[in-house]
Amino acid sequence: DQQVKQNSPSLSVQEGRISILNCDYTNSMFDYFLWYKKYPAEGPTFLISISSIKDKNEDGRFTVFLNKSAKHLSLHIVPSQPGDSAVYFCAASVNGNQFYFGTGTSLTVIP
Amino acid sequence: SAVISQKPSRDICQRGTSLTIQCQVDSQVTMMFWYRQQPGQSLTLIATANQGSEATYESGFVIDKFPISRPNLTFSTLTVSNMSPEDSSIYLCSVESGDLGNTIYFGEGSWLTVV
Repeated sequence: DQQVKQNSPSLSVQEGRISILNCDYTNSMFDYFLWYKKYPAEGPTFLISISSIKDKNEDGRFTVFLNKSAKHLSLHIVPSQPGDSAVYFCAASVNGNQFYFGTGTSLTVIP
Repeated sequence: SAVISQKPSRDICQRGTSLTIQCQVDSQVTMMFWYRQQPGQSLTLIATANQGSEATYESGFVIDKFPISRPNLTFSTLTVSNMSPEDSSIYLCSVESGDLGNTIYFGEGSWLTVV
């Protein structure tokens, strides 16, 4: 059973607007979360992380929000740029050990 | 969707030995990917395994250390050779589906501890 889910396989956003990528999880013990960016046939790139003691973490254009009660994680990219077009997947773990991965959301930023 | 089975899920290995991890997918896929996730570190791509050809290794990874087999479109193995404690890690196989590889599936991972 998938413990981490990304229910939107794709998302299209106009350049300059906000991209919101969502991730839901089922295990309330998860306390550390990551977002990765990935181009086809390339290795993923770590983007941003958040631990469960926080509800927001920001790094430049990327902000991750954590709603523990809803078991929901989101990544906001603003402003979106064409170079942001890629697959984004989330990962969750207990104590940073074994990670469980979402299946990804393909973001297309339209110039 | 794709269901990926990996084994072993966990093992404790002696220094200097080798261990082969198996990855079975429930559908035919062209490319399979092998990753490593060391404690506290990000996911790192080791190599891409195509059926019928040599695997393509990322910088820092070599075939002698991580030989890969890909005998058919549903199966691959990764061997971690001559293990040292630095090889202690979770190893994951992955496949991508969709026209643009935009859906990613991971196995449950193989957690190796080298002592």
